[in-house]
Amino acid sequence: DTGVSQDPRHKITKRGQNVTFRCDPISEHNRLYWYRQTLGQGPEFLTYFQNEAQLEKSRLLSDRFSAERPKGSFSTLEIQRTEQGDSAMYLCASSLRPSYGYTFGSGTRLTVV
Amino acid sequence: AQSVTQLGSHVSVSEGALVLLRCNYSSSVPPYLFWYVQYPNQGLQLLLKYTSAATLVKGINGFEAEFKKSETSFHLTKPSAHMSDAAEYFCAVSDSLDSNYQLIWGAGTKLIIKP
Repeated sequence: DTGVSQDPRHKITKRGQNVTFRCDPISEHNRLYWYRQTLGQGPEFLTYFQNEAQLEKSRLLSDRFSAERPKGSFSTLEIQRTEQGDSAMYLCASSLRPSYGYTFGSGTRLTVV
Repeated sequence: AQSVTQLGSHVSVSEGALVLLRCNYSSSVPPYLFWYVQYPNQGLQLLLKYTSAATLVKGINGFEAEFKKSETSFHLTKPSAHMSDAAEYFCAVSDSLDSNYQLIWGAGTKLIIKP
C-alpha cells in the first residue's frame, strides 16, 4: 500500500492554458474524490467516482472542469482555459468503507499566472 | 442535512499547555466522525476517527477525542502541546448510511503554538 499519489506536486501555467492532474488511489479503494482547497479554507468538494462511474459533481464546478476514471483505477482532472481564480491546491482522496474515512494524496498546487 | 461547526478559526496555546479544539456536528443518523491534520502545502492526514465503538478515541501524535452524543460534540484534545503540533485541524462527519461516503467538513482551526 503506497497511499494516494498525485502528480504533479506543483504546476504553474499561463492563463488560458489547459492543465491535467493525475491521481492514483489506493488500489483496493473503489471510491475516489477530488477536492479543491484555497488558502485558509477547508476542502471544497468537486467530484466523486465509484469505480469508473462519476456519481456526483459539484454544482459550483464550471464546465471548464472535467474528470475521468477510465478503468476504475487512476483518475485525471482537467481544467480547460485556466483562470487566475483556479489557483488552488487540488486534493485527491480515496476510500473503501465509510468507517475508514478518506486517505488523501499530497495534492497538486496550481498557480495560474 | 449534516453540518460541522469548528469554534475558533485560530487557537493559540503555549508549548506544554493543554490543546482543546472544538467540533460540534449535526446529524440525523449515527455519524462517523473524523479529525484530520494538515501541515503547510501538504494533504490531509487522518488523526483519529469515531465509528460507534469506544466514545474516547485515541489517535496519532498523542491526540484524543471524545464523542458526546448528548452534546453533539467531538472535541480534540492533547494534554501537552508541542511545537510540531502547529498545523490546521479539520473536523469532518460522515453519515453512516450514506452510500457515497461523503464527508462534510468544518472550516478548520489553525493551531498556533507559542514557545
